[in-house]
Amino acid sequence: DSGVTQTPKHLITATGQRVTLRCSPRSGDLSVYWYQQSLDQGLQFLIQYYNGEERAKGNILERFSAQQFPDLHSELNLSSLELGDSALYFCASSRAYGGTANTGELFFGEGSRLTVL
Amino acid sequence: AQTVTQSQPEMSVQEAETVTLSCTYDTSESDYYLFWYKQPPSRQMILVIRQEAYKQQNATENRFSVNFQKAAKSFSLKISDSQLGDAAMYFCAYRTGPYGGATNKLIFGTGTLLAVQP
Repeated sequence: DSGVTQTPKHLITATGQRVTLRCSPRSGDLSVYWYQQSLDQGLQFLIQYYNGEERAKGNILERFSAQQFPDLHSELNLSSLELGDSALYFCASSRAYGGTANTGELFFGEGSRLTVL
Repeated sequence: AQTVTQSQPEMSVQEAETVTLSCTYDTSESDYYLFWYKQPPSRQMILVIRQEAYKQQNATENRFSVNFQKAAKSFSLKISDSQLGDAAMYFCAYRTGPYGGATNKLIFGTGTLLAVQP
């Protein structure tokens, strides 16, 4: 158990709909990362938040947005869904800043599998 | 920008044998981390091994070891005494070092699918 919790684990929806994926980072981790893994593909970085602020953006579509709340949990919102958005969405967390507390490792949740029909 | 390349889409090994997975990366940074993550059929991302770039000694975790060649920007994973449970997708990943600030995301390679034959 990595300590990162993602809900829901599975989600089936229709094209054009909107969904929200939720992530609770490990206790004490300030940084949250979202990744997308399409079928048989690698992990593509979407976006990173640190202590409530956006810190880095990858190839995230304009239809997608995210935020990190004061309690440090994060949500990834996917709207106007298309068939190609079907994927496994991972959340990961880390301490983010340096020193001995930062081993450099990201801790991954089990992912939210989104199927768009 | 940093990149990670895994040139072996698939590999196969006999149970109890040794296999080496290749990874190369490109960066202009001197301080960084390298990782191997395993993704079994359950799709969970599991950290296998970690290497800090400033350490010359290759990291080892039980049956897993790396060959880190900093000048060549090469980071291969060796699995000894392969077991059926080692069958998985293996991803090589790069991350900026601990003082690189908060924008230090993981950059992944495309993965190597390892099959273990009984």
